[in-house]
Amino acid sequence: DTEVTQTPKHLVMGMTNKKSLKCEQHMGHRAMYWYKQKAKKPPELMFVYSYEKLSINESVPSRFSPECPNSSLLNLHLHALQPEDSALYLCASSLIISYNEQFFGPGTRLTVL
Amino acid sequence: EDQVTQSPEALRLQEGESSSLNCSYTVSGLRGLFWYRQDPGKGPEFLFTLYSAGEEKEKERLKATLTKKESFLHITAPKPEDSATYLCAVQVAENTGNQFYFGTGTSLTVIP
Repeated sequence: DTEVTQTPKHLVMGMTNKKSLKCEQHMGHRAMYWYKQKAKKPPELMFVYSYEKLSINESVPSRFSPECPNSSLLNLHLHALQPEDSALYLCASSLIISYNEQFFGPGTRLTVL
Repeated sequence: EDQVTQSPEALRLQEGESSSLNCSYTVSGLRGLFWYRQDPGKGPEFLFTLYSAGEEKEKERLKATLTKKESFLHITAPKPEDSATYLCAVQVAENTGNQFYFGTGTSLTVIP
């Protein structure tokens, strides 16, 4: 299995809602990543987990809360988001955090009303 | 400050017309340079990793090369299905750990 899966594919939420994005990989990778991508812009790194521990947190607002329950799963909990948070949220994984190519999931298209 | 710049921003080619995309970087502590292809609304698809100057990698109509300051993605005799945005990314070692920076991408359109 060489795939990173993300659910849901699309999500529409109000500013007072709480929702979660899910990411899963079964490639035995020990590093997992969350990126945010706005239209016609490159992906921006949000969080990095290495061996289920948060390794990098790129000064992301606290309304985004990552969680890594085990080596195969990565969640992103969303609460009190703003319309400007609407974007494509990408999950990626790599064998380890160093010198390794990342494999991306298809993304979750998030719209905040 | 670490920077990754891609050029051109957009490129239109006739089918069969070869060309090159550029990725220039000003980073310290480069650990690796990666090329990705991204189709609209989808996640980036990994193409190549380059680690040291002089290295070359090939896959079908694509060839990636690396110097100390830039990388090129050569596309030979492109087909319409090669139309996509091509992103390069660099991995650098910083105090906070291994960081990843993407360039702004080159949007390639291949016309039949």
